[in-house]
Amino acid sequence: EAAVTQSPRNKVAVTGGKVTLSCNQTNNHNNMYWYRQDTGHGLRLIHYSYGAGSTEKGDIPDGYKASRPSQENFSLILELATPSQTSVYFCASGDAWWEETLYFGSGTRLTVL
Amino acid sequence: GDSVTQTEGPVTVSESESLIINCTYSATSIAYPNLFWYVRYPGEGLQLLLKVITAGQKGSSRGFEATYNKETTSFHLQKASVQESDSAVYYCALGQPGTGSNRLTFGKGTKFSLIP
Repeated sequence: EAAVTQSPRNKVAVTGGKVTLSCNQTNNHNNMYWYRQDTGHGLRLIHYSYGAGSTEKGDIPDGYKASRPSQENFSLILELATPSQTSVYFCASGDAWWEETLYFGSGTRLTVL
Repeated sequence: GDSVTQTEGPVTVSESESLIINCTYSATSIAYPNLFWYVRYPGEGLQLLLKVITAGQKGSSRGFEATYNKETTSFHLQKASVQESDSAVYYCALGQPGTGSNRLTFGKGTKFSLIP
C-alpha cells in the first residue's frame, strides 16, 4: 500500500517566522506535489518535483520554496510566514504514468498568527 | 487555464437514497484530459475513488459510477444507494496526460453526509 507521511500534523507559527513542512513517501514514486486547500477553493498546486534535486513551480508558488533532497523526501518552506498562508497543506506522490494516480498524505494544518 | 466546477455542498440525502454530484470541466490545454474523482474521509488524506482516461467510458468503484462525456464536458458522480460510510468530501479533478507529471486541477470539493 502506498504511503505518504506528512509532519507535523498541526503547526502554529508567528508572522515572519520560518516554517518547514515535511513529506516522506515510501512508494519510490518519481513525482511529488504540494497542494494547499482553503475554504471555497479546490486544492491548488504550489510546487512539484520530478525526482531528487528537481523542483518546479506550480500555480501558486509565491511565498513558498520547495526542496527535494532525495527520492523519498519533499519539503515545503515558508521563509517568512504570513497569515494568508494559513491553510491545510497536502503532499502527494505519483508515478509519471499516462494515467498517474496521486497518493496523498493526511495533511498539515498550518495557522500563522 | 483548465478549470473544474462541481456541485456546491453540503449535500445531504437519506440512507439508501441515490446521490449525484455534478462535475463539469473546461480543458483549454488538452483536448482529452484524464478525469478523476478523489474522496477525503474525515481525518484522512485524499484517495482515488475512480478515474477514466477515455472519452465515452465509465468508471466505477465502491458502488459509485461516473461517465466521461466529451460532448457536455461532464463527469458526474452517482451512487444508487448511499450509506453512512459514504460521508466524505468528494473532489472532481482533471489531469493532463503525457507531460511527465499528471498535474491535477481540482474542483472545490463537495461535502456529503446523510440526513440524520
